[in-house]
Order: sequence, then structure tokens, then C-alpha cells
Amino acid sequence: GAVVSQHPSWVICKSGTSVKIECRSLDFQATTMFWYRQFPKQSLMLMATSNEGSKATYEQGVEKDKFLINHASLTLSTLTVTSAHPEDSSFYICSARQRQGRKDEQYFGPGTRLTVT
Amino acid sequence: DAKTTQPTSMDCAEGRAANLPCNHSTISGNEYVYWYRQIHSQGPQYIIHGLKNNETNEMASLIITEDRKSSTLILPHATLRDTAVYYCIVRVNSGYSTLTFGKGTMLLVSP
Repeated sequence: GAVVSQHPSWVICKSGTSVKIECRSLDFQATTMFWYRQFPKQSLMLMATSNEGSKATYEQGVEKDKFLINHASLTLSTLTVTSAHPEDSSFYICSARQRQGRKDEQYFGPGTRLTVT
Repeated sequence: DAKTTQPTSMDCAEGRAANLPCNHSTISGNEYVYWYRQIHSQGPQYIIHGLKNNETNEMASLIITEDRKSSTLILPHATLRDTAVYYCIVRVNSGYSTLTFGKGTMLLVSP
């Protein structure tokens, strides 16, 4: 089946620094990738939709200047949390969409645990 | 996308069938029913999806009522590793539609 990886799996950073999270589709090309955030005991919340070669579309309430998304290739999207603060501590999950013929599926990465101290 | 309603939690004994219900009474004709699950601290895992016919794969069976207003995910022989939050999602398979997660059902499989 399709595999999506994320790196790093966890990261601890100091308040005010920036952190980059990578999302890769390992065995398929993904023109669309999605970034979700999940706080403890809550469901996944979509942050943004990223299309290869174009600007990401952010959900309401998500600051585009704080959460920078780059989808430079068909297999890689990155999320950079700029000037991180403790309230940004969360579980960040990416997802890649595979569209091939009649197939249209969305596969998820294992997630990245961000802790801002 | 249509909204879904699921029980908050369910229990199941190991080896027994787990039947997880989902209500999607406002589903549109072109919306599919998807099921994902999320084991603690992992990304969601695809289980199965269907439009109107019942579906079965190596993981589970999906039973969709004739009026498509509800469905049931069946894990035929639950194991401890099936303990997870199960999400029922309806989505159109076109354009830029994405998966919108509700609160899901926390399934606890006990020995």
C-alpha cells in the first residue's frame, strides 16, 4: 500500500525558534498534501491543503505566516512552524492524496510530536 | 461534506466481532463512506470505504443501509491491537475534497 513518511517523529525546541517538519510520499506522487494538527484528547483538525507548485490554502484561524508550507515536488511537502510557542505544542500529521485512474485515496504519515519549551 | 454521528466509546471482548455504527443521515448521492482508525500517537490508518454496496477487505466489512443513512463497520475477530479511535467520514471523491474528522468512537478491546 501507499506509504507516507514524516521526519522527525518528535522534536523539542525552545520558544521563539523555528521547526521544519517533512512529509514524503514514498511510493507514489502526490499533487495534493494536507497538514493536520491534533491536540491531546481531540480529533484531527485540518490546517492547510498544499498543492504542488502553488500556494497552500489555509483553514480559517490558521496563520499562514506562522505555519509555512512548501510543496516543491510531487513527493515532498514541508511545514515550518516559525517562532514557536508552547501553545504550538501538538501532534502534526501530514497526509498525501493519491489519484490514479478511478482511485482517489488519502494516506497519512505517522505524525510528528512537537514540544515547545 | 455530510456530518456523521458515532458513539463516543465501545467495548469489545477479544475474539468477538466489533460492530461500530455510524449515522450519516444527510449524506449526498455522490458521497462515499470512509472508515479510518487511529491507534494512540500514530497517524490515521485507512480501513475501508464504500458508496452503496457492502464492502469487505482483509481488515473489515462495511455494511451500508439501503437508504445510505447509516453504516456499520465490522471487525470480525477483534484483537487487542484493534484498540483505537475509529472515524467514520463521508466525502465526495472529486475535486479538492478532503477528510474531515469528527470525534470518532474509542473502541477498547479487552482480554
